[in-house]
Formats: sequence, structure tokens, C-alpha cells
Amino acid sequence: LAKTTQPISMDSYEGQEVNITCSHNNIATNDYITWYQQFPSQGPRFIIQGYKTKVTNEVASLFIPADRKSSTLSLPRVSLSDTAVYYCLVGDKVDSSYKLIFGSGTRLLVRP
Amino acid sequence: DAGVTQSPTHLIKTRGQQVTLRCSPKSGHDTVSWYQQALGQGPQFIFQYYEEEERQRGNFPDRFSGHQFPNYSSELNVNALLLGDSALYLCASSPDGGFVNTEAFFGQGTRLTVV
Repeated sequence: LAKTTQPISMDSYEGQEVNITCSHNNIATNDYITWYQQFPSQGPRFIIQGYKTKVTNEVASLFIPADRKSSTLSLPRVSLSDTAVYYCLVGDKVDSSYKLIFGSGTRLLVRP
Repeated sequence: DAGVTQSPTHLIKTRGQQVTLRCSPKSGHDTVSWYQQALGQGPQFIFQYYEEEERQRGNFPDRFSGHQFPNYSSELNVNALLLGDSALYLCASSPDGGFVNTEAFFGQGTRLTVV
């Protein structure tokens, strides 16, 4: 079972900031939070990963509150090419190795 | 660096047949995981290979099996194909045995259609 809950879909317009929130109430102490982006008929692509507070890279920011029970992916000034499915994952560690458990993701539609 | 490569890109098989899908991991990666993605769904974990052994397995029947070679490449085999096996099959690789919480790199996938 996926360990995360996120909105099924979101709409936005070009140039706007988009924030997608993910709930992970049962996150384990040593779990990281990772976001992937997927375009149709392509494999998921890593966007960003964090453990706590704020992480920023060249494409997104990830905000994680102190209790770590949720996280928010922030995409600044989206463009049409950001239309994709976004997955929030938390690490699932079994016998010291990780596997990725995907939920249904959030379908983001960016309109002109 | 070619990244993760999968072959073939598309495949059509008949019910009851067997299929083999192939994956070459990103250079320097030693861990390979396989996922099945049905239309409109998120990827579902099938299994993970490390040091030529299946280390973790998701909720898939024994019809799904795999192999990892000494060069870290991997194969996914599905026997007795069912219509419901039609999906995009994704391979992901990661370094360091997957023991460190690192990002995984995915291939473009193999689109399998069972008729």
C-alpha cells in the first residue's frame, strides 16, 4: 500500500506557482521524502528529495514541517511543459535496502 | 552516459505466451528494480535485484521472474501471459546496493500488449 496521500489532480496557468501537498502520517524516522515527475509513456524522473525543513534545487522546492507528516512540492512559474503526473514517495526500507512505493500521483494540467 | 536502457520499446504477445524484457542500468549502478504500470495508475513494484539475487519482491505471482547478470543488467520474464499483464514495464537502477536512500533512475519502459 502507498504510504502517501495526494490530490488526484490540479489545474494551473502558465507563470503561476504550483504547490502540491502530500500527506504521509506514518513516515518512519529514517525515511526520506522524494518526488518524481512522469510524462505519458515515459519513466518517472526524480525531481527532489528531502528529510526536513526546506530543500531547493534548480527546478523545485520541497517544504517539510517539523512533524514530517506532510510535505509540499513547490514549482515556481510553471510552463505548459510541466503538465505531468507528480508522485510523492517515502522510503520503504526492508532488510536495509529501499524500494519505491508509488501512489496514484497528482495530475497537473498547466493551461496557457 | 546512456542512462537506463530497456528493450524492446514495444511488444505484442498472445495470451499464454512467455515474454522476456531487458534492462541495462545506468553506469555505476548495481541495483535494478522492476515496476509494472497499468494505464492511469502509478508504477507497482515487482522485485529488486542486487548481487544477482532477488532481494525484495512485491505482490506479484510466480509467473513473474527475473535475473541479474554479472554486469548488473537484468531481465524480467513473464510466463503464461494474461490480458491483465498488458502494461508499461519500467526498470529503475540505483547505486550502492540501494542501501542508501538515493534517487532511482528509470528507463523509458517497455509497452507490453497482450492480445
